[in-house]
Amino acid sequence: GENVEQHPSTLSVQEGDSAVIKCTYSDSASNYFPWYKQELGKRPQLIIDIRSNVGEKKDQRIAVTLNKTAKHFSLHITETQPEDSAVYFCAARNSGGYQKVTFGTGTKLQVIP
Amino acid sequence: EAGVVQSPRYKIIEKKQPVAFWCNPISGHNTLYWYRQNLGQGPELLIRYENEEAVDDSQLPKDRFSAERLKGVDSTLKIQPAELGDSAVYLCASSLVAGGDEQFFGPGTRLTVL
Repeated sequence: GENVEQHPSTLSVQEGDSAVIKCTYSDSASNYFPWYKQELGKRPQLIIDIRSNVGEKKDQRIAVTLNKTAKHFSLHITETQPEDSAVYFCAARNSGGYQKVTFGTGTKLQVIP
Repeated sequence: EAGVVQSPRYKIIEKKQPVAFWCNPISGHNTLYWYRQNLGQGPELLIRYENEEAVDDSQLPKDRFSAERLKGVDSTLKIQPAELGDSAVYLCASSLVAGGDEQFFGPGTRLTVL
């Protein structure tokens, strides 16, 4: 089955700096890659996603890049703000019958004011 | 619009006791998921329903876990008997269609097994 690895597990940045979180996946048939943000004690919420036919997608301060050949994708947050502090999960969905979503282990991002 | 509703929010039980979690997905969402999230980990899929049919239960420990979604709307996840290692947050999620892109998560049920 799919295996999604996520790095780093923790990340501290100064407010205003950029943050980058990287994920790799194992199943070349995966075709959809969402990113979820989970604030402390709250539910995961989708913040951005990308499909395998696209190399990059941007939404304001958040961008995601995908390298299908290397089977890795990254989340980029620019001009970080304290409210960006949360745990971020990457995920990969396979294109098979089950279309199962496999999550990474999470990155705890701390933005220091 | 109401989001995914789960109850209870917290549950503390002793090992070997049974426990049940309830989920009501967003109205009109055909796909329902149950995940288990251990501390410091990402959600792990336990079971996925398309309407009332369980289409992926490969990760559900069937010796002690069971789930149902009888009318294709709300769902119940049961553990009997609970073990210490079952302590986790149990998340329910729903999406509009089969393989739908965005999964909307509920607040979760935090289970502590003593």
